Amino acid sequence: AQSVAQPEDQVNVAEGNPLTVKCTYSVSGNPYLFWYVQYPNRGLQFLLKYITGDNLVKGSYGFEAEFNKSQTSFHLKKPSALVSDSALYFCAVRDGNSGTYKYIFGTGTRLKVLA
Amino acid sequence: GAVVSQHPSRVICKSGTSVKIECRSLDFQATTMFWYRQFPKQSLMLMATSNEGSKATYEQGVEKDKFLINHASLTLSTLTVTSAHPEDSSFYICSASDRNTEAFFGQGTRLTVV
Repeated sequence: AQSVAQPEDQVNVAEGNPLTVKCTYSVSGNPYLFWYVQYPNRGLQFLLKYITGDNLVKGSYGFEAEFNKSQTSFHLKKPSALVSDSALYFCAVRDGNSGTYKYIFGTGTRLKVLA
Repeated sequence: GAVVSQHPSRVICKSGTSVKIECRSLDFQATTMFWYRQFPKQSLMLMATSNEGSKATYEQGVEKDKFLINHASLTLSTLTVTSAHPEDSSFYICSASDRNTEAFFGQGTRLTVV
């Protein structure tokens, strides 16, 4: 069965410092991995995805994520955090080998960037 | 990225009435749409998968007679909450996807049943 774990409910970081939001996954086939961001009372906005290829994926707003197959992780990173990055971040996985497009989401991590 | 439009963004209804929420993919044909429910400070709970031209697939524990889903075209899916009760108050989000893209999400609908 597919699952996603985001071990941190909240991450606090000072503006200008690097940030990491952690995600680990479990899937039986090839993992398709995604990061989404949600602002209050809004839907989810796509940040980046890993399907295949280079393990380091670059996405929107300066975010990037590194796929690590041995550790089954897909941590989200940004070299220098902005106050406007404060939001709720979701990691998601889809089984690329299955015929379904069902996405499984983590529980979300609230990022607070302090000025 | 692709645009998914969800309407209304906010609705208040009386107990016992029905509410319809629309989800449209504006610039691509979505073979599959998903409906989620999100409780405060919690993750998204998948309610059902909607496939164009066929019956929706509901997740375990989701009442299909209460949450009616129709996916009549490749660009439109609707969720109707029938005989709404206060416990149905929640944030409902749709997403649309085709085989080769990531899922794109609507803006969400805040439903309040009074």
